Amino acid sequence: AQKVTQAQTEISVVEKEDVTLDCVYETRDTTYYLFWYKQPPSGELVFLIRRNSFDEQNEISGRYSWNFQKSTSSFNFTITASQVVDSAVYFCALSEARGNTGNQFYFGTGTSLTVIP
Amino acid sequence: EPEVTQTPSHQVTQMGQEVILRCVPISNHLYFYWYRQILGQKVEFLVSFYNNEISEKSEIFDDQFSVERPDGSNFTLKIRSTKLEDSAMYFCASSEGQGFYNEQFFGPGTRLTVL
Repeated sequence: AQKVTQAQTEISVVEKEDVTLDCVYETRDTTYYLFWYKQPPSGELVFLIRRNSFDEQNEISGRYSWNFQKSTSSFNFTITASQVVDSAVYFCALSEARGNTGNQFYFGTGTSLTVIP
Repeated sequence: EPEVTQTPSHQVTQMGQEVILRCVPISNHLYFYWYRQILGQKVEFLVSFYNNEISEKSEIFDDQFSVERPDGSNFTLKIRSTKLEDSAMYFCASSEGQGFYNEQFFGPGTRLTVL
């Protein structure tokens, strides 16, 4: 079973539209972290946000906002007033506790966002 | 701002050859990771490394793979005898401290092409 599901494979929006990228996760741990990473066409992974399982407060950073709902195991990402530079693949990731030996990230399959000028 | 670096950015090799992918993690980080991303697919965990030994590895990380921290700065991934299906982007990552809550900083990746 997938630990992180990003059901939207590809999304296209026209510039200035708002867009929400969905992420649903699965874990038995009570303590975990969720992340979003952006992968632009150049290929690198760019960290966007980290959220722990005990903090369900929504977060806003400029045009980006995140909605974490434990009840539905979702951690959705909204871009307001999208821009062409937002075109990228966006990955949601889950990190579960592994004691003192670090952690493994489970990535979703990614959502490819294309913003059309 | 400190960053993870990886060399080379692109490696082309013949099937059956050995390759070594190099990474320089952020200097005060203690945990190191390799991930793989086959073109168009998700990023997959390969291995984590702490205190000079592997702490966790995935099913993908078979006997063909090995990791090493040969000195105080480099972290390498070796593939002994490359196969066509090893063609992928390989990402190195590092994190500062223990625990799953630490953000992993990713390098820019090495694109490996096996012919």
